[in-house]
Amino acid sequence: EVQLVESGGGLVQPGGSLRLSCAASGFTFSSYAMSWVRQAPGKGLEWVSAISGSGSSYYADSVKGRFTSSRDNSKNTLYLQMNSLRTEDTAVYYCAKMSSTNQNDYWGQGTLVTVSS
Amino acid sequence: DIQMTQSPSSLSASLGDRVTITCRASQSITTYLNWYQQKPGKAPNLLIYGVSSLQSGVPSRFSGSGSGTDFTLTISSLQPEDFATYYCQQTYNTPWTFGQGTKVEIK
Repeated sequence: EVQLVESGGGLVQPGGSLRLSCAASGFTFSSYAMSWVRQAPGKGLEWVSAISGSGSSYYADSVKGRFTSSRDNSKNTLYLQMNSLRTEDTAVYYCAKMSSTNQNDYWGQGTLVTVSS
Repeated sequence: DIQMTQSPSSLSASLGDRVTITCRASQSITTYLNWYQQKPGKAPNLLIYGVSSLQSGVPSRFSGSGSGTDFTLTISSLQPEDFATYYCQQTYNTPWTFGQGTKVEIK
């Protein structure tokens, strides 16, 4: 059974940093691209980043230069390093496994990041 | 960036109704179009990928169609568990943008 468990969310001040983790199990982690998607309170879904199995990464313009995706295939874990956080980054952050046509076929439960002074 | 526009933004329907949600892309995305269902407080759930392929475990009352820029999600007979918000997403070009969502409510 595929499982994705995010952690690392919390309250952070504007300008601060946070690192999210996503522990994966139930599939060959290194063989699949992974993505991060966020959802601000009461809003729709926003794609944030994707990273291939080998580590090539892609970002939304809204986070480019501030967020970095990485992965440790030996630990079956995905990371999102978030720097220079802004109030508009407040959201539930989901990690998701990607499949054949880049669809997100499995999702974690999400972790809430609140950026506020 | 490719813009995805869903219509309607919300709809009210009765049990057993046939429901259609439309998604339009600002440029051709060939067949890189996915549909997700999200219930309050829960993660999204993949329904349809590649325009019309049904994700494993998803009921056959859900179907997708379209190509190029215009796509449709159809629920053939609305069930109580289908009241939720539905999102389309293009994965043709990064950034992989979502539509704004369509909320399906009980009439």
